[in-house]
Amino acid sequence: NFMLTQPHSVSESPGKTVTISCTGSSGSIASNYVQWYQQRPGSAPTTVMYEDNQRPSGVPDRFSGSIDSSSNSASLTISGLKTEDEADYYCQSHDSSNHVVFGGGTKLTVL
Amino acid sequence: EVQLVQSGAEVKKPGESLKISCEGSGYSFTSYWIAWVRQMPGKGLEWMGIIYPGDSDTRYSPSFQGQVTISADRSITTAYLQWSSLKASDTAMYYCARRRGNWYFDLWGRGTLVTVSS
Repeated sequence: NFMLTQPHSVSESPGKTVTISCTGSSGSIASNYVQWYQQRPGSAPTTVMYEDNQRPSGVPDRFSGSIDSSSNSASLTISGLKTEDEADYYCQSHDSSNHVVFGGGTKLTVL
Repeated sequence: EVQLVQSGAEVKKPGESLKISCEGSGYSFTSYWIAWVRQMPGKGLEWMGIIYPGDSDTRYSPSFQGQVTISADRSITTAYLQWSSLKASDTAMYYCARRRGNWYFDLWGRGTLVTVSS
């Protein structure tokens, strides 16, 4: 089964840059697009990145996405961290059977 | 306004049946897949399945196949998630979400909290 693995948590200070990784278990992560969702406590998820590196309107350009085929990983990078960025972040893709797969989520703490 | 409006929180006993809903508005409901996503307390997102309201084509995650039923009524632009016999382990928040072409979810409902307790 295709799985996406994320670090359980990351933390960084306001104004700094943080990168959250999402590693595919098999095959090439570049074969299917990767998305990223932000979920603040008590709220539904919202999309912060789609199709690897596309930002929905309204998402600041402090957010960027990339794919690294050599490590079979996707990354979400947030620069100029703000306290409002503190949330859980989930990567998502789909497998060869067109089943959606979510990563386990990463808790971002901005301290 | 483009939105997905989910039904309200439910409290049920083990063994009871339940059907929760997700009403789409502000867009062509029959043109987009609608997925259901489970989030157990303190845990991550799990994809349960997806339906295309245009023709009711439905796919299930292997983890949820046979455990739930996904359906849709396009006449009232509403998708459903139902259980025939709830278990305590079904206690979770359930989200519906609209799928765009390259398998991402651009629109989410606010979630329906289901609590199953004796």
